[in-house]
Amino acid sequence: GNSVTQMEGPVTLSEEAFLTINCTYTATGYPSLFWYVQYPGEGLQLLLKATKADDKGSNKGFEATYRKETTSFHLEKGSVQVSDSAVYFCALSEDNAGNMLTFGGGTRLMVKP
Amino acid sequence: EAGVAQSPRYKIIEKRQSVAFWCNPISGHATLYWYQQILGQGPKLLIQFQNNGVVDDSQLPKDRFSAERLKGVDSTLKIQPAKLEDSAVYLCASSLDHGLAGVYEQFFGPGTRLTVL
Repeated sequence: GNSVTQMEGPVTLSEEAFLTINCTYTATGYPSLFWYVQYPGEGLQLLLKATKADDKGSNKGFEATYRKETTSFHLEKGSVQVSDSAVYFCALSEDNAGNMLTFGGGTRLMVKP
Repeated sequence: EAGVAQSPRYKIIEKRQSVAFWCNPISGHATLYWYQQILGQGPKLLIQFQNNGVVDDSQLPKDRFSAERLKGVDSTLKIQPAKLEDSAVYLCASSLDHGLAGVYEQFFGPGTRLTVL
């Protein structure tokens, strides 16, 4: 079956540091890949997505590239802010419409001023 | 635009009791999902509706969980009887459609936190 593995947190960084959160996946086909973010006290929100190999998703300074050869979709940001503190979830969908998401376990990011 | 609404936000029950959660999706969203998120884990899909029909319920524990979406709008998820391991946050999400070309974003509600004692 499908699965998503994320690096365990919490990840603690100082403001303006570089962020990488690793995500690898297992899927039988060619999934679409997503990063969702959950800010404190709020619901899950889509951060970015990529639907085919070598696509780069980007939003709010975050980026992730769909790497089929390494089955990875690592999340990066060049300079984090305190407001980026949240839990980040990597997810995949095997169909073409973003249904039936399989989520990773989540990675908590804490950014200190 | 109003988001996905869920109620109640919190519920505490004893094991073997019954509980029901309600979800109102974003207006016009045909697809509705229920997820279970156990503390420290990612959400797990329980059931997906397209209008008032079930698309996928392969991970729904049907001996105790049931869900319906009458009239293709609001949905109710029920647990009867509850077990200790059902303690989790139950998330409802909706999206515009399913099965058409393109990837549709799922919009999540705030969730209902269930504690089973």
